[in-house]
Amino acid sequence: AQSVTQLDSQVPVFEEAPVELRCNYSSSVSVYLFWYVQYPNQGLQLLLKYLSGSTLVKGINGFEAEFNKSQTSFHLRKPSVHISDTAEYFCAVRKGTSGSRLTFGEGTQLTVNP
Amino acid sequence: DTGVSQDPRHKITKRGQNVTFRCDPISEHNRLYWYRQTLGQGPEFLTYFQNEAQLEKSRLLSDRFSAERPKGSFSTLEIQRTEQGDSAMYLCASSLEGLAGENTGELFFGEGSRLTVL
Repeated sequence: AQSVTQLDSQVPVFEEAPVELRCNYSSSVSVYLFWYVQYPNQGLQLLLKYLSGSTLVKGINGFEAEFNKSQTSFHLRKPSVHISDTAEYFCAVRKGTSGSRLTFGEGTQLTVNP
Repeated sequence: DTGVSQDPRHKITKRGQNVTFRCDPISEHNRLYWYRQTLGQGPEFLTYFQNEAQLEKSRLLSDRFSAERPKGSFSTLEIQRTEQGDSAMYLCASSLEGLAGENTGELFFGEGSRLTVL
């Protein structure tokens, strides 16, 4: 079974600073990896996904993530954050090809301060 | 059709009552999922359907919970004899999966139905 660990439950940063949200996964099979964002009182929205190919994936709102198979990590980064990036971020893993459920981490609350 | 819709958005009920939530997925999507999210936690998988067939259920889904997708379109999640521990956000998601089992990977989520059991 797959599992996901988000190493930081809360990440406070100042506006325009870079940020990295860390995610590690465990799985015995090939996986698909995702980052979702949840703004207050809204549903989960996909930021980016890794299915195959280039290990550096770019998503919406200037976010990117790098798949590192040897370290089983999929960290999310943004070079310069905005106040509007304040939200809960979830890393998720799904078994590749014929996989069904998406397994989520516990989330990282990113708070961007002025 | 612009996305996954869930109804009601909020439900407050007394312990012991039954509640039902409805989910309308994106129209061409063949898979539909139910998740539960409690405060400060990530969503937890409950069950999913491929068309009208319920293919997997989590151990979290006790016998008080039942989900249906009778015509392969909308789905309902019913909780019988609610308990305070059932208080959570119930999320529905849908996806399009290929006939050969390949998938696009992405699940599209609704805004959720928040249940409060008093």
